[in-house]
Formats: sequence, structure tokens, C-alpha cells
Amino acid sequence: EPEVTQTPSHQVTQMGQEVILRCVPISNHLYFYWYRQILGQKVEFLVSFYNNEISEKSEIFDDQFSVERPDGSNFTLKIRSTKLEDSAMYFCASSEPGGHIFGPGTRLTVL
Amino acid sequence: GDSVTQMEGPVTLSEEAFLTINCTYTATGYPSLFWYVQYPGEGLQLLLKATKADDKGSNKGFEATYRKETTSFHLEKGSVQVSDSAVYFCALSGQRGSQGNLIFGKGTKLSVKP
Repeated sequence: EPEVTQTPSHQVTQMGQEVILRCVPISNHLYFYWYRQILGQKVEFLVSFYNNEISEKSEIFDDQFSVERPDGSNFTLKIRSTKLEDSAMYFCASSEPGGHIFGPGTRLTVL
Repeated sequence: GDSVTQMEGPVTLSEEAFLTINCTYTATGYPSLFWYVQYPGEGLQLLLKATKADDKGSNKGFEATYRKETTSFHLEKGSVQVSDSAVYFCALSGQRGSQGNLIFGKGTKLSVKP
């Protein structure tokens, strides 16, 4: 069964450093998403991506964040200068007519 | 804006007990409604969905009915198993179909004891 994969599973970084979270969506899907879940809180939408551009973004997705689909298979989320409050689980998803298919998540810890 | 409210957890049940997890929503228009499940150490998996009023979604013994009059989508299962222990998330999409972003509730942790 097709699945969304994410790497790394856990990323530890120092405050102020740049991180890139990687995702491989399901190959024939057209819409891609990033969500995050701060420990103990709800899953929050960050951004959606369609046809090689951002289709919608939340107020969380500020200038520190960017997304890219560099090679037709990977879908990346970059955080330019991480803050302590960026520590969270980051989920990638792609969508099919039945609903979102989520990856297993990357746990980002900012020290 | 659109929002989802779930009952607070954790919920602890004995095996074969009846499960209800309440979910209500606020949305303009006609959202699609979803339940996702997150097993320990795993990502979010779609459990069931409903796209219009009075639709019933069902999967693996779980059911939820889209009630527009009460703006609810409560999750039920007649007889839970230990393997159902997980966190359950109610979610909505403001757009018909699956392409819109999802708005989640806070999640309800279910623990089933043998």
C-alpha cells in the first residue's frame, strides 16, 4: 500500500539553526501539506502546496518557513532560524479523493 | 473561523465496553468530517469520514454520523479491544472533498484494559 515517508524521524538542533524536514508524498497525489503538533496540543495546519506553489498557509507559517518540491518526488519544509517554540512533531500529508494520507512525522527538538 | 471540539481525555475502558467520543464542530458552509487515529509511535491514519449531512462513516467497527442539526460527529464502537488503544482526532475540512486543509480537535486518548 502506498505510503508517505518522512526523514529524519527525530531532529535535534540548536536555537537559531536552519533545519530541513523531508517528505516523500504518494507519487500520483497532487496536493501536499505540512502540519505540526506541539506536545499535548492539537494538530495544526501549516501550509498546502499544489502545482508547485503554495495554495494556502496559516498564520503560523511566517517568513521563517518555506516549502519546496525540488525534484518532483521530495517535498521539504525549511525553518530558517529555529526557535524553542518550534519544537513539535511535524507531519507531512498528501491527499487523494478519500482524504489525507499522513506520514509518520518528524520530531523536532530545538535546544 | 472553523473549529472542532472534542471531549477531553484520557478515556479508560475495559475490553468489550461501549465507546463514545464526542465531537462537535463550528463551520460555515458544508464541511467534510473525519476521524483520524494515531497509534503509539505512528502517524495519523484516516479511520472514517462523512461528506454530507446524515452520512454515516464506518470502519473497523467504528461509526460516526454527520449530524448537521447538532453540528456533531460522535465516534462510537460497540465493543472495544485492547488494540484500539490510541489517540483519536476529529477533524473537518471546509471544502467538499479532500483537498482542503484539515482543522483538528485536540485529540482523545483511549486506553483499553484487558
